[in-house]
Amino acid sequence: QVHLVESGGGVVQPGRSLRLSCAASTFTFSAYGLHWVRRAPGKGLEWVAVIWYDGSKKYYGDSVKGRFTISRDNSKNTLFLEMNSLRAEDTAVYYCARERTPYSTGFYYLDYWGPGTLVTVSS
Amino acid sequence: DVQVTQSPSSLSASVGDRVTITCQASQDIYSSLNWYQHKPGRAPQLLIYDAYNLETGVPSRFSGSGSGTHFTFAISSLQPEDVATYFCQGHDDTDDTLLLTFGGGTMVDI
Repeated sequence: QVHLVESGGGVVQPGRSLRLSCAASTFTFSAYGLHWVRRAPGKGLEWVAVIWYDGSKKYYGDSVKGRFTISRDNSKNTLFLEMNSLRAEDTAVYYCARERTPYSTGFYYLDYWGPGTLVTVSS
Repeated sequence: DVQVTQSPSSLSASVGDRVTITCQASQDIYSSLNWYQHKPGRAPQLLIYDAYNLETGVPSRFSGSGSGTHFTFAISSLQPEDVATYFCQGHDDTDDTLLLTFGGGTMVDI
């Protein structure tokens, strides 16, 4: 069974930084594109970022572009999200999720998700 | 950018009822539309991919249809465990970029 577990969430002041991690197991981590998706309280799902299976391409949602950075360490089966200049509107549960089809072949549906980690931006 | 508009935003139905949700894309996205179920405190779950393909292990009462700009998701016989919020999701990969877009969600209650 594919396993994804996020960590690193917490309470942070506006303008500060936070780094999320997503540890993966029981699948060939280096073969799959990975995404971050968030859900703010009372809101819907919002796509945050994607990284290609080999790290060669990265794309971001408009609301986080220039502030967040996605990265991965294929030797440690871990995905990261570096979040800078945090705002109150970044408060959400953050999920990492795997593309169903390996090798970033252009099929963007997400078949396995972690349970999420809560980020609260508040003074 | 591709936008996806989902309706209704919420619905209430009885056990055994047929429930339908629609998703309208702002431009032709062929069959690249996916559906997820999200329950509070749980990870979202992929139900339908590429408009009509049932994900492995998902009950057959869930189905999807449509292509181009108009898509429909259905639960043929609503069960108590289906209480959740449902989201459609499309993407735009033109102009050497990628953007995934979720619909606003439909909260299904009994």
